[in-house]
Order: sequence, then structure tokens, then C-alpha cells
Amino acid sequence: SYELTQAPSVSVSPGQTARINCSGDALTKQYTHWYQLKPGQAPVMVIYKDNVRPSRIPERFSGSISGTTVTLTISGVQAEDEADYYCQSADSTGTYTVFGGGTKLTVL
Amino acid sequence: QVQLVQSGAEVKKPGASVRVSCKASGYTFSSNTIHWVRQAPGQRLEWMGWINAGNGNTKYSQKFQGRVTFTSDTSASTAYMELSSLGSEDTAVYYCARGFRPGTTSELDYWGQGTLVTVSS
Repeated sequence: SYELTQAPSVSVSPGQTARINCSGDALTKQYTHWYQLKPGQAPVMVIYKDNVRPSRIPERFSGSISGTTVTLTISGVQAEDEADYYCQSADSTGTYTVFGGGTKLTVL
Repeated sequence: QVQLVQSGAEVKKPGASVRVSCKASGYTFSSNTIHWVRQAPGQRLEWMGWINAGNGNTKYSQKFQGRVTFTSDTSASTAYMELSSLGSEDTAVYYCARGFRPGTTSELDYWGQGTLVTVSS
């Protein structure tokens, strides 16, 4: 079955830039969306359709795609950004949705 | 503002069924799909499927086909997920989320707070 691959963890100091990657063979055919999960809270969509930021999300969050890898970039990371981040996409035919394994962002 | 509020935690015995509710507010409930996603301890998010809240059409992940049922009550703006023949591997936090666009590949723009389902003898 189709899988999306994410690094388990990323660590950055406050004010630095964090880049979280998501790889999958079908990412050139299907949009990718990104979610922020914090313990005890409802997940929050931070980027959709590869690189569109919802208006309620801070401008420091951005998305990009290069080949079969999509990247969530958080510029000027703040302590409140510490969370797990998951990418979501679909198989090449759009039959089912899959999530990446998640990346834990630690703000040092 | 859009809100999805889920029912409270459940503890079930193996072989039982569980039903989780998801009450929507702040938008026209029948205009969107509701997706169900779960996360077992230490595992990735797992997509279970969706229901068109307006006409009741459903799409289930192959993994859960035959064991899960999604329903919706437009008069109550509430969606339901029922999972049967529970096993310990079904212990997870279950989320509902609104599909912004129709279909399986949609972004999920608002999520419920999650419902912990524990399966234990």
C-alpha cells in the first residue's frame, strides 16, 4: 500500500527555520496538506494544497514542493510551534487518503 | 466559527461496539463531508473514511470496510461513527474532521477534539 515518509524528529532553536519533509511517489499527482497536533488539542490544518496557508495561520508557516517531496517550512520558529506535524495526501488515483508518520518538532 | 464537538471517552470490552458522535456548528452541516481519522498510541494518523453529511453517501477505507458505519443526522447537525467487533488494536483517539471539498483527497480544515476509545477486558 502507498506510504508517505517523514523524519521522526526535527530540532531547532527559537528564531531559526524548521523544515519538515514528506516524501511519496504520488505527491506530483495529489495535493498534500499539513496538520499540527498538540497533546489534548484538536489538530489544526496549517497548509493545504501543497502551499496554501489558511488565513488564521501565522505567516511564518509555508509549504513547497519539489518533485516527490513536499516541505513544510516554519520561519522564525517560536516555542508555541513545538508539536507533531503530519502530512496528508492520497494515492495516485485518489482512492484513499494516507498520512505520513509524523515529525516531532522540538524547539530547543 | 466552525466547531466540531465529539462525545466523551469510552471503555469497551473486546467484541463490543462503540459509537462516537461529532456535533457540528458554525456552518451548514449538510454542505460538507465529515471524515473520521484515528490515532493509536505511538502510531500515525489513520484515515477511516468519510460521509457526505447531506446525502449520507459514504466511502470507507478498505481496512475498516464491513466493521465501521458512518451516519449523519442533519436535524441535529451530528455525524456518528460506529465500529464493531472491537479488539485491543482499536484502542485509539478517534477524530472527526470536516472535509473542505467533496471526496477522499480533501483537506480537513476543522477537527474535533478527539474521543479516546479504550478496549480492555
